[in-house]
Amino acid sequence: QVQLVQSGAEVRKPGASVKVSCKTSGYTFASYYMHWVRQAPGQGLEWMGIFNPSGGTTTYAQKLQGRVTVTRDTSTSTVYMELSSLRSEDTAVYYCARGGWYVTDAFDIWGQGTMVTVSS
Amino acid sequence: DIQMTQSPSSLSASVGDRVTITCRASQSISSYLNWYQQKPGKAPKLLIYAASSLQSGVPSRFSGSGSGTDFTLTISILQPEDFATYYCQQSYSSPPLTFGGGTKVEIK
Repeated sequence: QVQLVQSGAEVRKPGASVKVSCKTSGYTFASYYMHWVRQAPGQGLEWMGIFNPSGGTTTYAQKLQGRVTVTRDTSTSTVYMELSSLRSEDTAVYYCARGGWYVTDAFDIWGQGTMVTVSS
Repeated sequence: DIQMTQSPSSLSASVGDRVTITCRASQSISSYLNWYQQKPGKAPKLLIYAASSLQSGVPSRFSGSGSGTDFTLTISILQPEDFATYYCQQSYSSPPLTFGGGTKVEIK
């Protein structure tokens, strides 16, 4: 079955970077967009960016431009999200979510989430 | 950016009730509106896509309607497992693909 399995919880100090992985299985990796969404404790959902696994192209939310980078490893069907210059307000659960063939498609499969804590 | 406004932000209801949640977009998004359910400590789950299409495996008591700027999610007969937070999301314009603020459905 289709699955997205994310890496485990991380703790970082302010100013550091974190890289979260999202390993996919059960479908053709290059055929579906991948999104990243985060959720601060007790807050709503915030879209971070969209990644095209076929061409490796990305579009990020403006507020994260310059700090977020999404990459892929096609040999393992894994997508990575790296966030740099971490601040306390980056403390959140980070999700990868599969889109569809089109940018406008809904997110039908989600990873289990990765808690990232930024604290001195 | 397109802003998505949900109402109410929370509601109390009883098992068996009919529940309606609304979502308004700051500009027309045609039918590019999706609904998700999230339970505590879990990832969101897709319920409705393209405003009114039921995702595979989702019970038929969930339905969606609307187009343009005004949308509705309805739970026809509320079940115990439906107590959760519900989010709308527009997929018309990227970036960003914005979510509504959420509606928490609690037990009365």
